[in-house]
Order: sequence, then structure tokens, then C-alpha cells
Amino acid sequence: NAGVTQTPKFQVLKTGQSMTLQCAQDMNHNSMYWYRQDPGMGLRLIYYSASEGTTDKGEVPNGYNVSRLNKREFSLRLESAAPSQTSVYFCASSEGGMRYGYTFGSGTRLTVV
Amino acid sequence: DAKTTQPNSMESNEEEPVHLPCNHSTISGTDYIHWYRQLPSQGPEYVIHGLTSNVNNRMASLAIAEDRKSSTLILHRATLRDAAVYYCILSDPYAGGTSYGKLTFGQGTILTVHP
Repeated sequence: NAGVTQTPKFQVLKTGQSMTLQCAQDMNHNSMYWYRQDPGMGLRLIYYSASEGTTDKGEVPNGYNVSRLNKREFSLRLESAAPSQTSVYFCASSEGGMRYGYTFGSGTRLTVV
Repeated sequence: DAKTTQPNSMESNEEEPVHLPCNHSTISGTDYIHWYRQLPSQGPEYVIHGLTSNVNNRMASLAIAEDRKSSTLILHRATLRDAAVYYCILSDPYAGGTSYGKLTFGQGTILTVHP
């Protein structure tokens, strides 16, 4: 089915380890986003890419880096994982901006021990 | 950010219509009204959005008050699959910087659908 694909679905890291969360969309959307969702809190924007070739910080960018590899793919990297980064991470895409609906992936559940 | 207020929970019976209300008295003239829903252990799912006029799609209808200070998501015939948390969100298409793409999810309304 068309949509947003995230890998991996689950991951356990030790403090200080690094990893990259992968996201790909096949809807030819211009904009892509990374959010995190913590218990009792809403989704918070980490980074976004308004269009291919651009990336910008969202609300909570510290500890993360991103790469917009091409129009389809947008990856999120944790250079040195910390327990505070234990969360569910969602990638999303849209035609562009807030005039359009977003399509979300199914999420990556990350635990940092 | 303009804030939305939704009931914590609502219940419905299968195959009956459901009206989910949302108050947004501080909405600005450029804010779009978005509705998303989230099933357990899944990502949010786009339902519908609009600016001023009522909107219909295959999933639901969105009724927007004339003064835009409130809106109602209408599920015409609830099914068990519609049981989820429903979020009403205001978004500004002209926001830049750290507010770009910022969907502020509140607590939402937990919809329970009874067989």
C-alpha cells in the first residue's frame, strides 16, 4: 500500500550508541517530518524538510540530526543515545505545509537503556 | 498557538452517527482545522481538514461554525474500527521556523464504539 514506511519498528539501544531511523514515502510528497510521542504528551516536531534539499529544526532538535537523502527518503540519526530519547518516533509526509493532510508512518519504538 | 478544547471521551453504538465537538475560540483567520485519529500502537491517521466551509470526504464530514470558533467532526455510521483517539488541531500554513509543520496534538477525545 502507498504510504510512509519506517524502519525499524522496534529498537533497544544502550546509552551512547548511535543509530539511524529510516523513513520513505512513495506519494511524491514535497515535505517530510520527524515527530516523537511520549506518554501523556502530544507529538512534538523534531526536524522537518519542507522540500528536497532543505532541512530545519523543529521544537525538540537537540540530540538528533537528519538527512533528506532524496525526495522519497528522510532519515533521523541519534549520534549518542540517551535515556531521555526513549520514545515512539513517527515520520510523516505531506504535499507541503499545513494546507494539506499529513500521512504518518506506523512508528519506531525506541528504548534507550 | 491557538488552543482547542475537546471532551475527554465519548461513546457511541455501532452504525449510529457520531458528532465529535471541538472548541477553538482563539482561532486566527489563517488557521486550518485538522482532524486526526490514532488507534492504539499506530501512527496518527489524517481524517479531514478545512478552513471555512464544511468539508466531506469518504471518512467523515467536518462542520465549521460560521464564526469558526467551533467545529464538529461527523462520522456518519460508526464502526468498531472507528474506536480511537480523535484530535482536533489548528494549523497555520504561514508559520515558519520552529512552528513549521507543527501539529500540536492535545489530549484528544477517546471514542468508544459499542457493538
